[in-house]
Amino acid sequence: ETGVTQSPTHLIKTRGQQVTLRCSSQSGHNTVSWYQQALGQGPQFIFQYYREEENGRGNFPPRFSGLQFPNYSSELNVNALELDDSALYLCASSLEATHGYTFGSGTRLTVV
Amino acid sequence: AQRVTQPEKLLSVFKGAPVELKCNYSYSGSPELFWYVQYSRQRLQLLLRHISRESIKGFTADLNKGETSFHLKKPFAQEEDSAMYYCALSGRGAQKLVFGQGTRLTINP
Repeated sequence: ETGVTQSPTHLIKTRGQQVTLRCSSQSGHNTVSWYQQALGQGPQFIFQYYREEENGRGNFPPRFSGLQFPNYSSELNVNALELDDSALYLCASSLEATHGYTFGSGTRLTVV
Repeated sequence: AQRVTQPEKLLSVFKGAPVELKCNYSYSGSPELFWYVQYSRQRLQLLLRHISRESIKGFTADLNKGETSFHLKKPFAQEEDSAMYYCALSGRGAQKLVFGQGTRLTINP
């Protein structure tokens, strides 16, 4: 049984650029949630995908978007990057949108 | 509004001493409460949830609805308990977890 894997582990982008982060869910899990964790803060919910549909969204602007694929892997896309988007982005998968979340190690995004 | 407050960013205790990590929440309704832990160089993982009413690694947490608290306790701290601890809540059946800012626990030998 594999856990949640995220890629890349680190990324540096310039303000105004676009970025795509990827997440492979744990085997057997059909739900993926994304969180943003700024330095010194707890994770903040961005959105959740369940069976390829968005299933809840936090207080993030529309330039944060996502996808879930038939194999339940997921992407997080952020357009028009701002300096405040610099954070650790965590992906978590679960079975049937329950809260037995398994977290990935995260992608550290730095916007300069 | 849904909010989780962990008043201590840092907590340091000696090995063998009791530990209590505080968590207060704000939620209109009956939330589910969780404690997550992140050990050094490891990913975030679930430590315990209030509905399970179980003890994990010697830790327990009791939901006090009157005081809207969910403090994490352990009677005798061990060095391997040093980690970052996050309290979190969700509404029943809701998708998102709302996390506190976290408490960094250091157990001194």
